Amino acid sequence: DTAVSQTPKYLVTQMGNDKSIKCEQNLGHDTMYWYKQDSKKFLKIMFSYNNKELIINETVPNRFSPKSPDKAHLNLHINSLELGDSAVYFCASSPQGATGELFFGEGSRLTVL
Amino acid sequence: QKEVEQNSGPLSVPEGAIASLNCTYSDRGSQSFFWYRQYSGKSPELIMSIYSNGDKEDGRFTAQLNKASQYVSLLIRDSQPSDSATYLCAMSGNQAGTALIFGKGTTLSVSS
Repeated sequence: DTAVSQTPKYLVTQMGNDKSIKCEQNLGHDTMYWYKQDSKKFLKIMFSYNNKELIINETVPNRFSPKSPDKAHLNLHINSLELGDSAVYFCASSPQGATGELFFGEGSRLTVL
Repeated sequence: QKEVEQNSGPLSVPEGAIASLNCTYSDRGSQSFFWYRQYSGKSPELIMSIYSNGDKEDGRFTAQLNKASQYVSLLIRDSQPSDSATYLCAMSGNQAGTALIFGKGTTLSVSS
């Protein structure tokens, strides 16, 4: 069983479209994250949820909206996609009290044309 | 703004040599430091964590932390071609609700 799973793994879409990425973890962790990795491999935090509550919301355009229906799931919806949104989006989770020990999903590569 | 600085490389070493990867950070309040390894096209995975000054060894890997100099390093002894990857340095503070901040990574290439 994959510990942190994301779907889809690849998305190719046109500018202006809306897309969603889903993430699920079966590790029993309370905290989940969305990170964005750009073409230069820079990994940057976007959002963090702890037990369904948003605790970190970095400077991200409001076209990005996370949603956590329960502590095992964290989804990311992106409206009005732009070229600059092209990146790999990683979902991750961490145990309670160990926010540095991230378990990453395989990533979702988004390409906006 | 809290930052983590790494030389992007590539760092090239021959098989069997010691690879030394370095990282500096800006936030003196940072408490915990981590090294993640990311193979091309894969997700990052945690390989070392270090919380106090000094050295921490785990197999062929040694993490070193010097909080006074705001410096973290990772030594890989007896480097193998399978160690070829990007190594990401990361730090976290001691405040609740803070996320891990990553450096831009150093690409290591080990030649056989």
